[in-house]
This record gives sequence, structure tokens and C-alpha cells, in this order.
Amino acid sequence: AQSVAQPEDQVNVAEGNPLTVKCTYSVSGNPYLFWYVQYPNRGLQFLLKYITGDNLVKGSYGFEAEFNKSQTSFHLKKPSALVSDSALYFCAVMQYGNKLVFGAGTILRVKS
Amino acid sequence: DTGVSQNPRHKITKRGQNVTFRCDPISEHNRLYWYRQTLGQGPEFLTYFQNEAQLEKSRLLSDRFSAERPKGSFSTLEIQRTEQGDSAMYLCASSFREIDGYTFGSGTRLTVV
Repeated sequence: AQSVAQPEDQVNVAEGNPLTVKCTYSVSGNPYLFWYVQYPNRGLQFLLKYITGDNLVKGSYGFEAEFNKSQTSFHLKKPSALVSDSALYFCAVMQYGNKLVFGAGTILRVKS
Repeated sequence: DTGVSQNPRHKITKRGQNVTFRCDPISEHNRLYWYRQTLGQGPEFLTYFQNEAQLEKSRLLSDRFSAERPKGSFSTLEIQRTEQGDSAMYLCASSFREIDGYTFGSGTRLTVV
């Protein structure tokens, strides 16, 4: 079975500082990994994905994520946080031929 | 293309009433998904269509829930005899290929009173 863990309910960071939102996964075989962001009363917006290849993937709005197979992790990062990055972030995993399974989400608060 | 469209955006209904939601996917996407999201939780899979065929249903989808996708275009999700526990955000998503990920609509927020 596929599963995703986001160990932090909330991450607080000061504007301009680097941010990390953690994600670990459990899936047999090679995973497809995704990050989505959700603003209040809105659907989910795609940020980035890892399918294969380079372990460091770059996505929208300056976000990036690093796939670590040995640690089964896919942490979301940004070198310099903005107040406008404050939102709810979801990590998701997919096994080929299956559907997306989401983590419980992490609230990111960026303070000025 | 304007993305995935869901209607209505909000629905308030009395317990025991039936409700129907509509999802219009991106036109070239043959895959369509319904998810449910409750407060403080990630989206949970409900059902999946490839073209007009409903290929998978979650155990979360009780007999009161039914989904259709006639002619492989738009989809409807109906909940009969609504209960307060059905209150949630219902999200629709579509995709062309699995590796592309899903494009989500803005969701329909259901409140059962």
C-alpha cells in the first residue's frame, strides 16, 4: 500500500530565511512524488514532481525538492521564504497504475 | 482552456436531502478523479474514471454516493440522503497521463445542516 507522512503539522519561518517542509513515503517499487499547495477555499495547485532522473527537482515559485531514495524522503525547500508562500502544502505519492495518495498536509507560516 | 471547473462552489443542504455536484475536466484529459477533503486532512480518493468507465471506487464511497461520467466528458457526483458527516470539500481532478500529475478544480464545499 502507498502512504505518505508529513511529520510537521505546521512550519514557521521568517521571511527571507530558507524553508523546508518534510515528507516521507512508503511505496513498493519506484514512486512518482508530487508537491501541491492549497490556498484557503481553493483547490490544489501543482508545484513540482519527481518521476525519474536528477534527484533535485525545481518547480513553481522558486520551490525545489530533493528525492532521497535511501531515506524515502521528498522534502520541499525554498532558499528564501516570502510571506505569500504561507499556505497549506501537501506531499503525494503515486505508484504507476495507481492513484495519488496524499499526506495530511503541513501549514507553512511565513512571518515578516 | 480554463482548467477544471466545478459547480457549485458552495452547497448548503438539510440532512436527508440529495445533492449533485458537477465537474468539467480539461477537455483533452481522459482521466477524471473525485477526492474528498475534510478539515485538517489531506484529500482522500473517492473514485476514478478513464473516459466513461468507472475503474475504481474507494470503500469511502458508500451506497449513498454515485458518480457518472457520460460520454467521457463532464462528471457528476451525487450524494443521496445526506448526513452531517458528508460535510466536506469535494475535489475533482483530471489528467492526461499519470506522470503529469493531476489538475484540480477549486472544489465544491458541502455543508449539511
